[in-house]
Amino acid sequence: AQTVTQSQPEMSVQEAETVTLSCTYDTSESNYYLFWYKQPPSRQMILVIRQEAYKQQNATENRFSVNFQKAAKSFSLKISDSQLGDTAMYFCAFMKLPATGKLIFGQGTELSVKP
Amino acid sequence: NAGVTQTPKFQVLKTGQSMTLQCAQDMNHNSMYWYRQDPGMGLRLIYYSASEGTTDKGEVPNGYNVSRLNKREFSLRLESAAPSQTSVYFCASSEIYAGLWGMTANNEQFFGPGTRLTVL
Repeated sequence: AQTVTQSQPEMSVQEAETVTLSCTYDTSESNYYLFWYKQPPSRQMILVIRQEAYKQQNATENRFSVNFQKAAKSFSLKISDSQLGDTAMYFCAFMKLPATGKLIFGQGTELSVKP
Repeated sequence: NAGVTQTPKFQVLKTGQSMTLQCAQDMNHNSMYWYRQDPGMGLRLIYYSASEGTTDKGEVPNGYNVSRLNKREFSLRLESAAPSQTSVYFCASSEIYAGLWGMTANNEQFFGPGTRLTVL
């Protein structure tokens, strides 16, 4: 069985600074996807970034980037130039391949961006 | 395009009552999912439907039933609600397709706005 662990329940960062959220996972699979989802106070789940395990290059989406360490089973999210709108709960998630669509989520990290 | 819609947004039940949470998507996705979100536990999969006419258990299926009514709609039923089922429920949908090396792959999973359910 796969597990996803986010060891930081809460984090805070000053506006315009950089913050890194940690995620580790446990799996015996060699092919899978990893995701970061954002859940603002509105409760809507929003995909932030996705990484395919077969790709060595780390995914980036504007101010969001990941550090994917497959051997260490680590998948951290870096947010650069933090904005007030980044305040949200962030979830790391795992999906094995072949895909059934089933996501396994971590416990979440609540990020507060302070002005 | 409404995406994924859920009804109701809020519901309060008494222990032992039954209810059905409704979910619909207009993106022509083949797969749909029900998750529950509890504090400190992230989201956990209750049931999923890989395609119309099929359903399967997820991580926490006890106390729930589902129906894939058609390609658009996937409902979740609580037959006899219990306080342990107090949670926020999310429906999601996605497309499973043929990916690399003959394996199925998955595009983005789209979530509904959630239903906050309280069981007294």
